[in-house]
Amino acid sequence: GQQVMQIPQYQHVQEGEDFTTYCNSSTTLSNIQWYKQRPGGHPVFLIQLVKSGEVKKQKRLTFQFGEAKKNSSLHITATQTTDVGTYFCAGNTGGFKTIFGAGTRLFVKA
Amino acid sequence: EADIYQTPRYLVIGTGKKITLECSQTMGHDKMYWYQQDPGMELHLIHYSYGVNSTEKGDLSSESTVSRIRTEHFPLTLESARPSHTSQYLCASRGGGSGANVLTFGAGSRLTVL
Repeated sequence: GQQVMQIPQYQHVQEGEDFTTYCNSSTTLSNIQWYKQRPGGHPVFLIQLVKSGEVKKQKRLTFQFGEAKKNSSLHITATQTTDVGTYFCAGNTGGFKTIFGAGTRLFVKA
Repeated sequence: EADIYQTPRYLVIGTGKKITLECSQTMGHDKMYWYQQDPGMELHLIHYSYGVNSTEKGDLSSESTVSRIRTEHFPLTLESARPSHTSQYLCASRGGGSGANVLTFGAGSRLTVL
């Protein structure tokens, strides 16, 4: 079945350092979304990418969708303590099911 | 703010009890989902629904059952809870239009079975 792999599992950074998480799908995706889950909270939608090679930015966050629509990345520039949480990618192949990656847990040391 | 509500938020029960986790959304979304998530871990899809009277099992085998009698309501039931059912259960819905693929999650129900 469809699988979405996400690395790294954990990332510890010093405040001000950059952070990147990567997502790879075993099949071509029609779209990919990114969600953030704060400790003790629930996933909250950040962004959706639909087009091959698409790049979107939200302040310090940059999202990319690969040319083959099978991989994606989230890059945070100059992390802050408010960035702490788990970042999930989630992919659709056109059906009703959304398959989540395992998530990357970000720890930021002040 | 998300318009999807889950109750109870926290539940501690004994083995063998029957429980129902409630999920309601006021957005008129057709598609609803239940995910199971252990603390800090990945989300596993256990049930989903395309609309009223439609339910499907997800990718992770679960002893729970669901029903969808009304669009806004998607309860999950465990007939006989066991310690292995201890987890967080997240309900989500998905609408149409430009946000057709975006999942809106409830706050979750954290279940502990003793």
